[in-house]
Amino acid sequence: GAGVSQTPSNKVTEKGKYVELRCDPISGHTALYWYRQSLGQGPEFLIYFQGTGAADDSGLPNDRFFAVRPEGSVSTLKIQRTERGDSAVYLCASSLTGGGVLETQYFGPGTRLLVL
Amino acid sequence: AQTVTQSQPEMSVQEAETVTLSCTYDTSESDYYLFWYKQPPSRQMILVIRQEAYKQQNATENRFSVNFQKAAKSFSLKISDSQLGDAAMYFCAYRTNTGGFKTIFGAGTRLFVKA
Repeated sequence: GAGVSQTPSNKVTEKGKYVELRCDPISGHTALYWYRQSLGQGPEFLIYFQGTGAADDSGLPNDRFFAVRPEGSVSTLKIQRTERGDSAVYLCASSLTGGGVLETQYFGPGTRLLVL
Repeated sequence: AQTVTQSQPEMSVQEAETVTLSCTYDTSESDYYLFWYKQPPSRQMILVIRQEAYKQQNATENRFSVNFQKAAKSFSLKISDSQLGDAAMYFCAYRTNTGGFKTIFGAGTRLFVKA
């Protein structure tokens, strides 16, 4: 595609529910990143994929958060037993190879998650 | 731990004027990379400019330039000839080779441009 897309754009759920957030990276990009942006803050790193594998998941806050990228393209961020503190914008980014620290990361528009 | 601080929650500039956004960071690393990102209301982060710490020359991209002071750990962004389309959140960010693939962002500065 022309850019990184994320669905849904907005998601409202109730405390305790399960949610899935989807990211479609730019075609051909092997590296994919998830960030969480709380209100009034900058994005916070969650997880990085190189192909199908999670190369760095050190930013996931706890075991309620999980992400997959089974075919090396689309990724899904899964949040179990959602809490009000999970409310944030979840941003996805992709880059061509992930091999260089200066490689440009292209961001999607994010999914705004609201947990009531 | 590395931290990035943006001390100006909001800034305002008149169209066609120049504005400088401040950023300081804390690190014990000697080799790292600094970035400024723009986030318009669409939420899509856009890379504005980047600087390698080993380069003394300040990076420039058209109307955007940085003032990189390594000893002071300061990395400010100057926007010249401000345009209405420059209105957005601006984030300063830091990344290292040894930090894996984490990019550490500041809290952001909201820039208003007055016509």
